[in-house]
Amino acid sequence: DQQVKQNSPSLSVQEGRISILNCDYTNSMFDYFLWYKKYPAEGPTFLISISSIKDKNEDGRFTVFLNKSAKHLSLHIVPSQPGDSAVYFCAASANFGNEKLTFGTGTRLTIIP
Amino acid sequence: GAVVSQHPSRVICKSGTSVKIECRSLDFQATTMFWYRQFPKQSLMLMATSNEGSKATYEQGVEKDKFLINHASLTLSTLTVTSAHPEDSSFYICSAPGTSGWNEQFFGPGTRLTVL
Repeated sequence: DQQVKQNSPSLSVQEGRISILNCDYTNSMFDYFLWYKKYPAEGPTFLISISSIKDKNEDGRFTVFLNKSAKHLSLHIVPSQPGDSAVYFCAASANFGNEKLTFGTGTRLTIIP
Repeated sequence: GAVVSQHPSRVICKSGTSVKIECRSLDFQATTMFWYRQFPKQSLMLMATSNEGSKATYEQGVEKDKFLINHASLTLSTLTVTSAHPEDSSFYICSAPGTSGWNEQFFGPGTRLTVL
């Protein structure tokens, strides 16, 4: 039972354009969402997060949007840079604090120079 | 940010042997650490939660006698894959929660285990 889903396994975007990565979840108990970036043979690196009390969080080129009614979140990267090429995982947890994360299946983002 | 290290980064072993993977929080203390495994082109799957001073909590379907976890101190957790078999070959990653109170878990670089 995949509680967090990323339906696009891959995405290619021209450098300078906006990259939009999507994530859907089914568990209504999730109240905290995170995006991680992962390079091959490395551990994930935290990018940005959002709690369920917000619908948007922005950090530099990265913005995460949360639509609770649709159980959907998205990560926007603008402008996209070649260094953004990586696999992006969304993750969710129930209860704030040191709680375990449930990861999506990942989206491989390729930025075309 | 907080740094988590793992050792070794890569290990190749024969079937039937045991392999120990270490996870350390370098500049902060972690009473809880998490162990994940990732198969090629798949998501990170939580295996177990390592708790300092008490037994680990295993996810459904994970054999606790096969994947031994010891949280020896506030900065060290170890995962031992006992009697490894080729199907145990995977990428094992540990993480530790940061100290901000939010779920900003910090991940180690991972360990690639190959069982021949």
